[in-house]
Amino acid sequence: AQSVTQLDSQVPVFEEAPVELRCNYSSSVSVYLFWYVQYPNQGLQLLLKYLSGSTLVKGINGFEAEFNKSQTSFHLRKPSVHISDTAEYFCAVSEGGGGNKLTFGTGTQLKVEL
Amino acid sequence: DVKVTQSSRYLVKRTGEKVFLECVQDMDHENMFWYRQDPGLGLRLIYFSYDVKMKEKGDIPEGYSVSREKKERFSLILESASTNQTSMYLCASMRGGSYNEQFFGPGTRLTVL
Repeated sequence: AQSVTQLDSQVPVFEEAPVELRCNYSSSVSVYLFWYVQYPNQGLQLLLKYLSGSTLVKGINGFEAEFNKSQTSFHLRKPSVHISDTAEYFCAVSEGGGGNKLTFGTGTQLKVEL
Repeated sequence: DVKVTQSSRYLVKRTGEKVFLECVQDMDHENMFWYRQDPGLGLRLIYFSYDVKMKEKGDIPEGYSVSREKKERFSLILESASTNQTSMYLCASMRGGSYNEQFFGPGTRLTVL
């Protein structure tokens, strides 16, 4: 069975500083990886996804993530954060084989401070 | 603009009541999902549906049922609400095929007293 670990429940960072949100997964088959963001009082929206090809994936709002198969990781990065990036970020995995189900991590609350 | 709407943003019910949470999508998507979101636990899948009248259990289906009579509407039913079902409930839809983006509604915060 697949699982996702987001070790950091909260990450405080100052505006314009870089940030990395960590995500590790476990699966016995090939996986497809996603990052979603949830702004306060809203549903989730897709930031980026990795299906195949280049291991560096670029998403919306200047975020990017790198798929590392040997370390089973899919960390999310942004070189310079803004106050508006304050939100909860969820990593999710879908197993290969035509699945439609996502398994989500427990989320990381990013708090950007002035 | 794609849209997933949920019938209520906030709902307060009493233990033992039957509760209906409604979700409607306007994107003609085949797949629809119900999750619950709890602090420290992330999102957990309750049920999903890949076609009208079709449903499959997710990871935590106990205490819940679902109904999908029309393609655009997916209902979550709590037959007899309990306090441990107090949570945020999120609905999502996704077009057919695999590994596509799931589009989420704004959520319903349910409190069971």
